[in-house]
Amino acid sequence: GENVEQHPSTLSVQEGDSAVIKCTYSDSASNYFPWYKQELGKRPQLIIDIRSNVGEKKDQRIAVTLNKTAKHFSLHITETQPEDSAVYFCAASNAGSYIPTFGRGTSLIVHP
Amino acid sequence: DAGVIQSPRHEVTEMGQEVTLRCKPISGHNSLFWYRQTMMRGLELLIYFNNNVPIDDSGMPEDRFSAKMPNASFSTLKIQPSEPRDSAVYFCASSYRTGQRNEQYFGPGTRLTVT
Repeated sequence: GENVEQHPSTLSVQEGDSAVIKCTYSDSASNYFPWYKQELGKRPQLIIDIRSNVGEKKDQRIAVTLNKTAKHFSLHITETQPEDSAVYFCAASNAGSYIPTFGRGTSLIVHP
Repeated sequence: DAGVIQSPRHEVTEMGQEVTLRCKPISGHNSLFWYRQTMMRGLELLIYFNNNVPIDDSGMPEDRFSAKMPNASFSTLKIQPSEPRDSAVYFCASSYRTGQRNEQYFGPGTRLTVT
């Protein structure tokens, strides 16, 4: 089955800095890669996703890049703000199973 | 739409008791997932339903856990008997399965404490 590795497990940055979270996957059939943000005590919520026919996608201060050859994808947050502090999960799934495999999560802390 | 609804939001029970968690998916969604979240293991998929049929239950820890989806608007996750190690936050999520994407919408979760 699919295996998703996520790094780092904790990331601490100063407000205004950029943050990068990286994930690798094992199943070359995976073609859908969502990112979820989970604030303390809340539910995970989708913030951005990318399909395998696209190399990069942006939405304001967040972007996701995908390298299919290397089987890795990354989340980039620019100009971080304290409200970006949360746990971020990457996931991978394919059109056949529709079952996402989640990474272990990255706790992002943005210091004012 | 109210989103995915879960009840109860908090449950405290004693070891050995039966626990039933409930979920109402978003209307029109055809896929439903039950997850368990702990600090130690992260977010674990327990079971996945598509069109009310269990497709993958390989994540269900043991026979003490069972899940049902009698219709498109309701699902239950039952633990009988419960044990302290079952303490976790249980999330239900629903999605509309398409060939393009499979965005999941999570419910608010049920925080289960077994003493």
